[in-house]
Amino acid sequence: SQTIHQWPATLVQPVGSPLSLECTVEGTSNPNLYWYRQAAGRGLQLLFYSVGIGQISSEVPQNLSASRPQDRQFILSSKKLLLSDSGFYLCAWSVREGDEQYFGPGTRLTVT
Amino acid sequence: SQQGEEDPQALSIQEGENATMNCSYKTSINNLQWYRQNSGRGLVHLILIRSNEREKHSGRLRVTLDTSKKSSSLLITASRAADTASYFCATDGGHGSNYQLIWGAGTKLIIKP
Repeated sequence: SQTIHQWPATLVQPVGSPLSLECTVEGTSNPNLYWYRQAAGRGLQLLFYSVGIGQISSEVPQNLSASRPQDRQFILSSKKLLLSDSGFYLCAWSVREGDEQYFGPGTRLTVT
Repeated sequence: SQQGEEDPQALSIQEGENATMNCSYKTSINNLQWYRQNSGRGLVHLILIRSNEREKHSGRLRVTLDTSKKSSSLLITASRAADTASYFCATDGGHGSNYQLIWGAGTKLIIKP
């Protein structure tokens, strides 16, 4: 069966510090991978998605970046965090675009 | 951009009652999906209904889709305390889009014991 891991679960970082969130998927090959951000009480905002190794599409211009160094690894990064980067970050995967997505447990990021 | 809009934003009912949530969208779609999110957790896929389907069931869940009105409803029958969660609809953009899901803001459902 497939599982998705995301860490850390919570993170408190000062403004201007770097960020690295990691997501890994097990039990499937060549998944579509997604990074979302969710503000409190709101829906999901798609940040990045990837259909293959090294292929990243950005949906929202921001100071975040994503990389996919391996087939089942998706990393969200920032060189300098802003207060507005605070939120709940979710990683997800799907077999194909438009299909049902399977989510990780999320990372609660607070930028202070 | 936000395509799906859930209605109501919040719903509080007694355990055992039925809960109905609605979702409206703006563009043509290939499918519409419903997800549940418990507080502080990841989302869980509940059901997917394709544009050529009108109704779909899964356990205590019933989803309807009216493409002429660009709307869908999620009915949870005989609600339980464990159904307390936020519920989101998501649509793809249909033909010509990149098929990424577009999400509504969700309905927060509270089941009172």
